[in-house]
Parts: sequence; C-alpha cells; structure tokens
Amino acid sequence: EDQVTQSPEALRLQEGESSSLNCSYTVSGLRGLFWYRQDPGKGPEFLFTLYSAGEEKEKERLKATLTKKESFLHITAPKPEDSATYLCAVQFGSSNTGKLIFGQGTTLQVKP
Amino acid sequence: GAGVSQSPSNKVTEKGKDVELRCDPISGHTALYWYRQSLGQGLEFLIYFQGNSAPDKSGLPSDRFSAERTGGSVSTLTIQRTQQEDSAVYLCASSFSGTAGTQYFGPGTRLLVL
Repeated sequence: EDQVTQSPEALRLQEGESSSLNCSYTVSGLRGLFWYRQDPGKGPEFLFTLYSAGEEKEKERLKATLTKKESFLHITAPKPEDSATYLCAVQFGSSNTGKLIFGQGTTLQVKP
Repeated sequence: GAGVSQSPSNKVTEKGKDVELRCDPISGHTALYWYRQSLGQGLEFLIYFQGNSAPDKSGLPSDRFSAERTGGSVSTLTIQRTQQEDSAVYLCASSFSGTAGTQYFGPGTRLLVL
C-alpha cells in the first residue's frame, strides 16, 4: 500500500537544540517529495521540493534531504518561531494526476 | 502577487443542509486541488482539475460531494445533505503544472456541521 509516515508525531526542543524530522515513504515511482509548514488555523506553507535521491535544499535554519526511502528535515539551532506542524507529501506513479499523499505531520514546539 | 483565496473562512451549518465552498486559485495556475483535513488526521485528497481534462474525482468520499471549475479558474466544492462527519477544514491548492508542480495552498474553509 502506498504510504507516507512521519516521525516523531511531536517534538519539543529547547531554543538552539538541533534535531531532525523523518518522512519515510513506500510508493512506486516517486515524482516529487514536498515539505510544508502549517501554523495553527492556516493553510500549509510550501518549504521545499525534492525530486531525486541525494538532493538537498536549504532555507534559513532548515535543510531537507532525500534518499530512496525517506526524507529528513534538519532544523539547526531552532528558534521559537519555528514552532509549527511540518508536513511531508509525495507525488508518485505514472498517472497524469498531481495529487499529493500526505503524512500525518510532526508538531514541533521550540521553547525559549 | 495574490495567493490562493477561499471563502467563506468559516461555515456552520445544520445536518442535512447543502453547502458551497469557493476557491480562487493563483492567476496563471492551470491545476487546482481540493483536500480535506479532519481533526487529528492528515490532509486527504478529494479532487483535481487540470485545464480542460476530465477531473480526477478518485478522492471524493461519497456522491454527496461534487466540485466544478468554471472557466479554468474559480472552483466550487459542494457538499449535499451534510453530515456531522463532514466537519473538517477544506483546503484548496493550485499549481502551474498538474503532474509535477509545487502546490500552493489557501487558508482553508472550516466547516462545522451541527
């Protein structure tokens, strides 16, 4: 079954304490892996797209990496404003639909 | 430029009533998606429109749900005879390309069925 699993479900960090969020996927024919950030009461905000194993993208304190089975979102020296739910999603298969399959998300809380 | 907009932002309705939710995509985006986010659950794909092609309706949970996209731009998601389990946040997204483009999301419509 095509599946996207994120871990941990929740993560509490102290400001400045670096960590990583995991997104593992079991799909056939990955066409793209996406990371989004979602703040309470808002729609998901796009962060990164990764297309092939070995690819890396960076933005401020965030760095996303991709292997053939999983993606990591590394957060370096986080600040309280990084607190949010981080969502991973994949596009896959040979069909002509671009629908995304989402993981359940990791809720990050960064304490000052 | 303007992002994806959705209206209403909140909707409270009674069980059995019909509701219409509206989405205005980013100008120039040819692909439009509807997703549903229920409390404690991930985002669930509902339907996808790409240009003049037949929509992918594979995610619609029942025949009470339907959507249309007029003139390749604005889309309306209609839920007939609403049930309490329809309570959720309905999110719309758009992208340049339906098969590989990055999707940009609107703020969502929070639907509560009493």
